[in-house]
Amino acid sequence: NAGVTQTPKFQVLKTGQSMTLQCAQDMNHEYMSWYRQDPGMGLRLIHYSVGAGITDQGEVPNGYNVSRSTTEDFPLRLLSAAPSQTSVYFCASQGGWSEKLFFGSGTQLSVL
Amino acid sequence: GDSVTQMEGPVTLSEEAFLTINCTYTATGYPSLFWYVQYPGEGLQLLLKATKADDKGSNKGFEATYRKETTSFHLEKGSVQVSDSAVYFCALSERGGADGLTFGKGTHLIIQP
Repeated sequence: NAGVTQTPKFQVLKTGQSMTLQCAQDMNHEYMSWYRQDPGMGLRLIHYSVGAGITDQGEVPNGYNVSRSTTEDFPLRLLSAAPSQTSVYFCASQGGWSEKLFFGSGTQLSVL
Repeated sequence: GDSVTQMEGPVTLSEEAFLTINCTYTATGYPSLFWYVQYPGEGLQLLLKATKADDKGSNKGFEATYRKETTSFHLEKGSVQVSDSAVYFCALSERGGADGLTFGKGTHLIIQP
């Protein structure tokens, strides 16, 4: 049972480039979410989904897009990378109401 | 909006010392409360949770009690070990986590032998 799988683990982009961070879970969880972690800021919610075909914005959605075509996958797209998007990104899934979050191992992104 | 405030770190203690990490929250309803722990280079893991007032969450010697009257969820452990060195995050969710969690900024705990 792999849990939550994120790829890639590391990525360096130039300003203006686009890319997709992949997230997949094999636990049949309905709830999935993306967070970014910055020093001294804790984790901040970017986007979340309560099921296939349903997504919504979190606290810091600007510059990011998401889609949820299947229960398993929840990719995060950076349309035009900016240095302010340099961060560590975590994907998480949750099985139900007030259940614990399962986190991926993170993607460290640097935008030059 | 919702918010979580926890004590700034780093917190440095000697092995076998008593630990308290303070956490207070602001929420419009009756949230569920969580403590997550992050070890170096890893994602977060749930340490404990409480879903209603006066509930006590506990795990691996850590405890926290949901205090509605003081809007607090302080983390405690009676005797810390070097292996407890990590970053600890307090968090809340208003809708069972369906719309994500609100996290505090994290407290870096360092335990010296």
